[in-house]
Amino acid sequence: KQEVTQIPAALSVPEGENLVLNCSFTDSAIYNLQWFRQDPGKGLTSLLLIQSSQREQTSGRLNASLDKSSGRSTLYIAASQPGDSATYLCARAGSNYKLTFGKGTLLTVNP
Amino acid sequence: GAVVSQHPSWVICKSGTSVKIECRSLDFQATTMFWYRQFPKQSLMLMATSNEGSKATYEQGVEKDKFLINHASLTLSTLTVTSAHPEDSSFYICSASPRTSGVVPDTQYFGPGTRLTVL
Repeated sequence: KQEVTQIPAALSVPEGENLVLNCSFTDSAIYNLQWFRQDPGKGLTSLLLIQSSQREQTSGRLNASLDKSSGRSTLYIAASQPGDSATYLCARAGSNYKLTFGKGTLLTVNP
Repeated sequence: GAVVSQHPSWVICKSGTSVKIECRSLDFQATTMFWYRQFPKQSLMLMATSNEGSKATYEQGVEKDKFLINHASLTLSTLTVTSAHPEDSSFYICSASPRTSGVVPDTQYFGPGTRLTVL
């Protein structure tokens, strides 16, 4: 069974701090790895998508890496802001393009 | 661009009734739409994959006769929860993959979700 695990489940940091969110997956035969943001009671906003042939992707203060051999991905958020507070989900896409999601990391950035 | 809407955004119904949720791609055509369910503090779980003009493919453990999916056009898919019960209360989210010739559907755009509460 393909599983996606996210650690930590929750994280609280002061504003301005750099932080790393972790995602691990059991099946290294992935098509891509995606990071999403979900605000309370809302849908998903796509942040970054890393193809299986890539090692990392960057967008503004966000950087995501992918290590297929170890089955891990990290999302690095630089200079965190209160507006970054949300749940961050990672999801792996298999060759059938179906997404398997982790439970997410609830991030709180305190002013 | 690439906006997906869902209607309604929330619904409360009595046990035993049926509820229809619509998922629309507003500015693109979607060959494939996906339906997910999310229980509190849990992952999104894929329920079914819906392809325009063909029958939906359901994930293991999802009752196809209870969760009816219709993908009648390239911009609309509907999920009908039949004879809803309190355990069906959840957050239902759809996503849509653009119709792009010769390109694998690796991009999914997500709707805002529908909160279903069955009393």
